[in-house]
Amino acid sequence: DVKVTQSSRYLVKRTGEKVFLECVQDMDHENMFWYRQDPGLGLRLIYFSYDVKMKEKGDIPEGYSVSREKKERFSLILESASTNQTSMYLCAIQTGAGNTIYFGEGSWLTVV
Amino acid sequence: QKEVEQNSGPLSVPEGAIASLNCTYSDRGSQSFFWYRQYSGKSPELIMFIYSNGDKEDGRFTAQLNKASQYVSLLIRDSQPSDSATYLCAVNMGYGQNFVFGPGTRLSVLP
Repeated sequence: DVKVTQSSRYLVKRTGEKVFLECVQDMDHENMFWYRQDPGLGLRLIYFSYDVKMKEKGDIPEGYSVSREKKERFSLILESASTNQTSMYLCAIQTGAGNTIYFGEGSWLTVV
Repeated sequence: QKEVEQNSGPLSVPEGAIASLNCTYSDRGSQSFFWYRQYSGKSPELIMFIYSNGDKEDGRFTAQLNKASQYVSLLIRDSQPSDSATYLCAVNMGYGQNFVFGPGTRLSVLP
């Protein structure tokens, strides 16, 4: 079974704080993703990584950065959190037949 | 622009009926097609994928693909209230970020 772990499930942060969202996979998958999901806006890709230290911007990278120092770990960083970054954040890996995407359980971030 | 379109719903069906969910996509060269189910407050979970024209069955679920019409559908037989969720269609239109999700269709199965 594919396992994608997002350790922080529910966070409340203050405006201007630096926020780290961690994602860990248990296999050697190359492709990892960060999405955010908001009501009425669907899933939007923030960043994509295809290997260690390699990353590509998605549709909405502004206000975010990522880090992938080890293959199993992909971190999303909000340098200075703002209220419009309140959302559900989903980490995902891509593997298997058809290059299927599998999601972690999600991290709910509230910025006050 | 690579797009996947779905009717946002809500689609309401009575318990025991067949629910039919539809999806169209823009990239004719797409190779693989996916259906995910997402319960409120949870992350999307894979139901099934299809990459050949025709039907693919898995339990109460049947995915149908028509590449000529650029159309994918999901049928849920003997719908149950526990099937009430948002169903996301996704299309792999290429490498990495070209895995495109539709906006989802909300299904409500009425007891």
